[in-house]
Amino acid sequence: EIQLVESGGTLVQPGGSLRLSCAVSGFIFSDYWMHWVRQAPGKGLVWVARINLDGSTTNYADSVKGRFTISRDNAKNTLYLEMNSLRAEDTAVYFCAKGRTGGFGDYWGQGTLVTVSS
Amino acid sequence: QSALTQPASVSGSPGQSITISCTGTSSDVGAYKYVSWYQQHPGKAPKLMLYEVSNRPSGVSNRFSGSKSGNTASLTISGLQAEDEADYYCASYTTTSTWVFGGGTKVTVL
Repeated sequence: EIQLVESGGTLVQPGGSLRLSCAVSGFIFSDYWMHWVRQAPGKGLVWVARINLDGSTTNYADSVKGRFTISRDNAKNTLYLEMNSLRAEDTAVYFCAKGRTGGFGDYWGQGTLVTVSS
Repeated sequence: QSALTQPASVSGSPGQSITISCTGTSSDVGAYKYVSWYQQHPGKAPKLMLYEVSNRPSGVSNRFSGSKSGNTASLTISGLQAEDEADYYCASYTTTSTWVFGGGTKVTVL
């Protein structure tokens, strides 16, 4: 059974930092691109970032570029999102999603809530 | 990276067909065949319904179909059922190697 489990979400002050993790099982992690997607409370889905199989290629949404870093540890079957200089508008549930041919999101985690507030 | 444009809401009666549009630009929807559609029920993770415009993942009902013309993609739900009531999002790959979602459409089954 394929599982993606996010963790690390919490309350953080504006300007602070946080690292999210996404532990995966049930598939060969190193064979797939991986993505982060977020959803602010009551709002729509927003694509955040993606990373290729060995971590050598990353892409980011303009809203997080230069502040967030996506990475992966294939030995640990874990995806990460390092978030710096956090703003109130970064408050959201963050989902990790598995990539697939022609797209992504055939499997998702349950999400982890990040709240940026003083 | 502007969000794709979707209608805020669409409704239909059980058994009817509805279509949700997703309008982008020549830099996203119009550029590639990489348009996906997701269904999301309240409090749940999204579910992939279509990828590459019209391909259904294993397990997705054939009542869901997709198409694309120019800069606009569409999702059609045929034989509308109560369980189809949810939010639907389109997403497209872009010429800057990123992905962008639409604003979402709330589907109501009357």
